[in-house]
Amino acid sequence: DTAVSQTPKYLVTQMGNDKSIKCEQNLGHDTMYWYKQDSKKFLKIMFSYNNKELIINETVPNRFSPKSPDKAHLNLHINSLELGDSAVYFCASSQDRGRNQPQHFGDGTRLSIL
Amino acid sequence: KNEVEQSPQNLTAQEGEFITINCSYSVGISALHWLQQHPGGGIVSLFMLSSGKKKHGRLIATINIQEKHSSLHITASHPRDSAVYICAVWRIQGAQKLVFGQGTRLTINP
Repeated sequence: DTAVSQTPKYLVTQMGNDKSIKCEQNLGHDTMYWYKQDSKKFLKIMFSYNNKELIINETVPNRFSPKSPDKAHLNLHINSLELGDSAVYFCASSQDRGRNQPQHFGDGTRLSIL
Repeated sequence: KNEVEQSPQNLTAQEGEFITINCSYSVGISALHWLQQHPGGGIVSLFMLSSGKKKHGRLIATINIQEKHSSLHITASHPRDSAVYICAVWRIQGAQKLVFGQGTRLTINP
């Protein structure tokens, strides 16, 4: 059983398109996150939701919109994709707001913009 | 300058060697995480610690809160330990979030 699953694993698309990445966790965790890993393998947080409520929103372009229909799901929708959006996007979850909780990561979605 | 710095950035060693990866941070934290990212890309949490030392199999993680420093040790290293090891801290100053180091790429040759 996959604890944190994200789909798709690979996403190749053209500049200007709109795409979504889905994430689901079956751990019963309250908090979920989206991270971006750039070409230098550097991870940075984008968003965090706790029980469907947005609690962290880093300086991310508003072309990125997270949606949490319930606490087990956190999807990421990206409008008007740009070349600089090419990266690996990781979803993660933790028991609660994460201060002293281990995080469980999905396998990542590799987004390539042509 | 990044709030979390790791050294070395790259490390190549022979099978069986004792490995040490260092992490220094410059902000107040409540916990420090060590993560492992395999060549396939998935990320696994190895340790979360806020004081002292933790051990899991051949892996040992230590933290010195006063010196703002942590080390990850691997004893009797094996080629399957080859991966990127990432240090991350839960920052409690300003925006509370996980802040990552740039990672250490470890290669263990047979």
